Amino acid sequence: GQSLEQPSEVTAVEGAIVQINCTYQTSGFYGLSWYQQHDGGAPTFLSYNGLDGLEETGRFSSFLSRSDSYGYLLLQELQMKDSASYFCAVSGAGSYQLTFGKGTKLSVIP
Amino acid sequence: DAGVIQSPRHEVTEMGQEVTLRCKPISGHDYLFWYRQTMMRGLELLIYFNNNVPIDDSGMPEDRFSAKMPNASFSTLKIQPSEPRDSAVYFCASSGDTGTDTQYFGPGTRLTVL
Repeated sequence: GQSLEQPSEVTAVEGAIVQINCTYQTSGFYGLSWYQQHDGGAPTFLSYNGLDGLEETGRFSSFLSRSDSYGYLLLQELQMKDSASYFCAVSGAGSYQLTFGKGTKLSVIP
Repeated sequence: DAGVIQSPRHEVTEMGQEVTLRCKPISGHDYLFWYRQTMMRGLELLIYFNNNVPIDDSGMPEDRFSAKMPNASFSTLKIQPSEPRDSAVYFCASSGDTGTDTQYFGPGTRLTVL
């Protein structure tokens, strides 16, 4: 089976940097993805890590350490519109299905 | 592309009634996923299809739930009979074989069973 742990809530100030951690346990691992979901909206893809290291996409970066079963999402220059829930998700080798964490609700305050 | 299309966007029904949710995946995507999202249980995978064939339905909660994909551009999730505990947002997502397992979600159907 697969399980993921991430903080339930994080609050950060506009313009700051925030890191959302995700640890996982899985019987087979292919990659770690991050999705963003605004209230009332649908999850949307942010980033994917299949190999160890940092992936950067604009203000967002994602990191993976396969040996530590750990990853994080880094959001820089926070904006009010970044207030949303962020989900990490793992995909297993040979499977295209994703198992999602419970999500981290990020609140960006002025 | 219009993205994943789901209908209806909102459904209110009474306990015992049949509910049918519909999904049109992104053209060319060969994977289709049905999820349920609640505050208590988060985002749960119910079933997924590859090339219209159900691959894993272990997340379907009970026999009251059934899903079909008669062709590459249409899928349904049916609940019969519906119960109040089925109230949730149901998402459909599709994916192509991109190597990153990226899934594209529809807007969801908010189901309320009274």
